[in-house]
Amino acid sequence: GAGVSQSPSNKVTEKGKDVELRCDPISGHTALYWYRQSLGQGLEFLIYFQGNSAPDKSGLPSDRFSAERTGGSVSTLTIQRTQQEDSAVYLCASSSFGAGEQYFGPGTRLTVT
Amino acid sequence: RKEVEQDPGPFNVPEGATVAFNCTYSNSASQSFFWYRQDCRKEPKLLMSVYSSGNEDGRFTAQLNRASQYISLLIRDSKLSDSATYLCAVNEDNFNKFYFGSGTKLNVKP
Repeated sequence: GAGVSQSPSNKVTEKGKDVELRCDPISGHTALYWYRQSLGQGLEFLIYFQGNSAPDKSGLPSDRFSAERTGGSVSTLTIQRTQQEDSAVYLCASSSFGAGEQYFGPGTRLTVT
Repeated sequence: RKEVEQDPGPFNVPEGATVAFNCTYSNSASQSFFWYRQDCRKEPKLLMSVYSSGNEDGRFTAQLNRASQYISLLIRDSKLSDSATYLCAVNEDNFNKFYFGSGTKLNVKP
């Protein structure tokens, strides 16, 4: 079946612009996660959704970052007034409720110039 | 102190060798543990979950040591295709939040 998809695969933007990243989870997966991975680094947890609600937003790096999920499916991560330090690969993963095992999308490579 | 720590390596081993990685975690209340494999410029892929009793999947064996707060991954009879970065993941709060290690890089040489 279809895996997790993310769009765009690559995004180059100028400093100060807003960007929106999209994640389509595996059908039926109620849990959805966003991570950020800088070059040569591990995954930094950003936010988790169970259904449409995000019980813990403390992983978001700053108030320029926001995320939403609608219909228990698609999620968008928005970064306002992008900064060069926001450059990274943004990964989305989904999981069945209570399962723990996560399935990752291919990521969006964001470059802020 | 990081929640999850791994030796970054690289571990350079010949084909057929046995290699083991450890991953330490700081929160004794951690509940679930996983190993992922990540190829260069690709997304992580689940390798195996780590159960309290230890578990094996072919050439791969994962173990959990709660007393010392680490998990391990053993790879037997290494193949060239095993070359990748291995990430451990630890869950603390009923799947609400996961912490990933920075990964251990494995190079299997002919």
